[in-house]
Amino acid sequence: TQLLEQSPQFLSIQEGENLTVYCNSSSVFSSLQWYRQEPGEGPVLLVTVVTGGEVKKLKRLTFQFGDARKDSSLHITAAQPGDTGLYLCAGARQAGTALIFGKGTTLSVSS
Amino acid sequence: NAGVTQTPKFQVLKTGQSMTLQCAQDMNHEYMSWYRQDPGMGLRLIHYSVGAGITDQGEVPNGYNVSRSTTEDFPLRLLSAAPSQTSVYFCASSYFTRGYEQYFGPGTRLTVT
Repeated sequence: TQLLEQSPQFLSIQEGENLTVYCNSSSVFSSLQWYRQEPGEGPVLLVTVVTGGEVKKLKRLTFQFGDARKDSSLHITAAQPGDTGLYLCAGARQAGTALIFGKGTTLSVSS
Repeated sequence: NAGVTQTPKFQVLKTGQSMTLQCAQDMNHEYMSWYRQDPGMGLRLIHYSVGAGITDQGEVPNGYNVSRSTTEDFPLRLLSAAPSQTSVYFCASSYFTRGYEQYFGPGTRLTVT
């Protein structure tokens, strides 16, 4: 059973479109992270959210942690080809415990 | 700082051969871990270490051994490679404990024939 379900698995859009990626679980997480991975490289952290209902913005990217701390979303406004990559969510069920990764969402933005 | 370094970048092994994947970090991180990444499977934790001399198993430890003799180094050993171990392996490190930001190395792409 996958503890963190990401959807959609694949997303192919045109430059300028908006999109949302979801990370859902039936379990409560003490914190949740979003990573971005480019081909041939390791994942790089984008953001960490720790408080239920928290919203963080990173330029055109908006991250939200659900009120119950069971889910999160990543919204990209006006996607650009440079946003292309694999987006991974990862959660820690308790502080100090191992991160659990979702399977990822592969985003392709064409110009 | 070099961050997290991994060697080799690519490796091809025959079934039954052994090898060690090297991982080093220069950020004085206490926590280090090894993941494998397979298509459609995300990242799965193999082994981790919370400090020199301390290691523990993750989600998929079978077929792999680790040791942590120094803070900087965390090698992953495959004693008898199997085709099921064909994967991309990532080493990661972080401050303090496991829920913190993970800094990943560039990965090692391993093929076992």
